Amino acid sequence: AQSVTQPDIHITVSEGASLELRCNYSYGATPYLFWYVQSPGQGLQLLLKYFSGDTLVQGIKGFEAEFKRSQSSFNLRKPSVHWSDAAEYFCAVGPSNDYKLSFGAGTTVTVRA
Amino acid sequence: DVKVTQSSRYLVKRTGEKVFLECVQDMDHENMFWYRQDPGLGLRLIYFSYDVKMKEKGDIPEGYSVSREKKERFSLILESASTNQTSMYLCASREPALNTEAFFGQGTRLTVV
Repeated sequence: AQSVTQPDIHITVSEGASLELRCNYSYGATPYLFWYVQSPGQGLQLLLKYFSGDTLVQGIKGFEAEFKRSQSSFNLRKPSVHWSDAAEYFCAVGPSNDYKLSFGAGTTVTVRA
Repeated sequence: DVKVTQSSRYLVKRTGEKVFLECVQDMDHENMFWYRQDPGLGLRLIYFSYDVKMKEKGDIPEGYSVSREKKERFSLILESASTNQTSMYLCASREPALNTEAFFGQGTRLTVV
């Protein structure tokens, strides 16, 4: 069965510093990969997605993610965080033969001034 | 823009009550989902529907049922609410194409007392 692991439950970062959120997946074939963000009390908003091609993908709000097949990873990065980036971030995996998405446990990001 | 609307943001119900959570999407998507979100567990799939009157159990279907009588509407039913069903419930929809993302509603925070 496929699984998604986000090793970091909580990350605190200073405003203006860089941010990297880790995501590892377990699946037989290359799946479709997503990062979502959830602000407090809100639903999930898509940040970016990877299906094929260039392994470095750009998303909204200045985020990017890199797919590394050899490491089964899809880490999310932002060069300089803003206070508004404080939220919960979810990595999701969609298999190549199913519409159902599997989600990681999430990483909560706190931004300090 | 795709809009997924959940009928209630907050609900408080009593143990043993039958509870209906409603979700409507406006983009004619075939696929609709109900997820449950709990701290530290991420999103877990309760049920999936891939067409009107068609449904498939997710990872945690026990204690829940669903109804999809119209394409745009997907209802989650708690037959007899219990305190361990206190949670955030998220509805999503997705096109019938694997290289697309899921769109989420704002969520319903259900408290069972």
